[in-house]
Amino acid sequence: EAQVTQNPRYLITVTGKKLTVTCSQNMNHEYMSWYRQDPGLGLRQIYYSMNVEVTDKGDVPEGYKVSRKEKRNFPLILESPSPNQTSLYFCASSPSLAGQETQYFGPGTRLLVL
Amino acid sequence: AQKVTQAQTEISVVEKEDVTLDCVYETRDTTYYLFWYKQPPSGELVFLIRRNSFDEQNEISGRYSWNFQKSTSSFNFTITASQVVDSAVYFCALSEAVPRGSWGKLQFGAGTQVVVTP
Repeated sequence: EAQVTQNPRYLITVTGKKLTVTCSQNMNHEYMSWYRQDPGLGLRQIYYSMNVEVTDKGDVPEGYKVSRKEKRNFPLILESPSPNQTSLYFCASSPSLAGQETQYFGPGTRLLVL
Repeated sequence: AQKVTQAQTEISVVEKEDVTLDCVYETRDTTYYLFWYKQPPSGELVFLIRRNSFDEQNEISGRYSWNFQKSTSSFNFTITASQVVDSAVYFCALSEAVPRGSWGKLQFGAGTQVVVTP
C-alpha cells in the first residue's frame, strides 16, 4: 500500500530537548516536504527536498533541520524545541515526473513543547 | 513575494447546492503551479489538483471543477451538487516555477471552511 508514515504521532516534550520526527515513504518519490499547521496561521511549509541530498527552506525553517540521505526518508529535527514549535506537523511526498500530479501526506504528528 | 488569498473564511450550503471557493494569487513568476487541498474534519490532508500556469484549460473531476483565469490571477474551485462528505477545509496554494515535473516551495492560503448540511 502506497503510504507516507510519520512517527511519533503524538509527542509531549520539554523546551530544549532535541527530538526527531521521522517521515518515510514507500513510493520512490523524489519530492518530500514538511509543513506545520497552526490555528489562525494555516499551513506553512518548513523545508522541502527535490531529491536525495537536495533540501531547501520553506517559509518557516527557523528552529528546524532536515536531511535527505536516502530517497525514502526525510526526518525533521528540532535541535532545541521551544513552545512556539508546538504544532501539528505533516510530511508529504510526490513524484517529480511531468504528468504525475499527485501528493501523499502522512497522518500528522501533534507536538506539544512545554 | 508570492501570496495566496482565500477571502471566504466559511461557506455554508445545503446538500445538493453548488459551492464555489475563491482563490486569488500574486506572483512575479511567469511559470508557476497552483494547487487545491482538502482537509476533512478527521484532519488528514488530501491533494486535489496541481495546475501549471501554462495550462489555462478548466479541469473537471467528477463533481469538482477548477476555473483558472490568468487575467484575474484566480484559480477557483467549484463543488457541484455538494454532499455532506464535502464538508472540510479547502486550501489553495501556489508554488514557484521549478524544473518540469518537479515540486518546489509552496505557499498556502488561509483556507475556506465548507459546511454542507443535509
